[in-house]
Amino acid sequence: AQSVTQPDIHITVSEGASLELRCNYSYGATPYLFWYVQSPGQGLQLLLKYFSGDTLVQGIKGFEAEFKRSQSSFNLRKPSVHWSDAAEYFCAVGNNHNNNDMRFGAGTRLTVKP
Amino acid sequence: GAGVSQTPSNKVTEKGKYVELRCDPISGHTALYWYRQSLGQGPEFLIYFQGTGAADDSGLPNDRFFAVRPEGSVSTLKIQRTERGDSAVYLCASSLDRDSGANVLTFGAGSRLTVL
Repeated sequence: AQSVTQPDIHITVSEGASLELRCNYSYGATPYLFWYVQSPGQGLQLLLKYFSGDTLVQGIKGFEAEFKRSQSSFNLRKPSVHWSDAAEYFCAVGNNHNNNDMRFGAGTRLTVKP
Repeated sequence: GAGVSQTPSNKVTEKGKYVELRCDPISGHTALYWYRQSLGQGPEFLIYFQGTGAADDSGLPNDRFFAVRPEGSVSTLKIQRTERGDSAVYLCASSLDRDSGANVLTFGAGSRLTVL
């Protein structure tokens, strides 16, 4: 089965600084990859997804992620962080064999300093 | 509705009690999922419905957990004889269909269950 590792439990960045959240996956075929964001008391909101094609995907709120097969990674980036970006971020990998088995990482909590 | 609605948002119960958590998916979404999110963890899959039937319940931890979706819309997650370890946020998600692994889920805000 597929699995996801988010190596960073907690990251702090200053407002206006760039951001990169790491995600590594394990899956034997081309994965379906997702990034979700969760604010306190809110449901998970989809930021972006990769299914196929261009390995650099653009999402909402100025986020982007790059699928790198050679590194089994799907890191999330943003060039300039806003205070409202403080939240928990989850990377997830789906199974492309008609299986509902989506696996989530443990999450990375982002704190934004003023 | 406009989004996935879950009730109650918070539930506090005593060990050994029975609880029900409700999920109202987005209108027209045929696929419905339940996940459990423990503190400091990512969501873990519990059960998936396609229409009225539970297509995959392999994530249910034991036979105290059960879920239904009798009319193919609203779903209820039922937990019998609750234990302190059941304390978590229970997330519901829905999607248009899951006839493909390329499946985008829309999540509700969750039901936080605390078992004392």
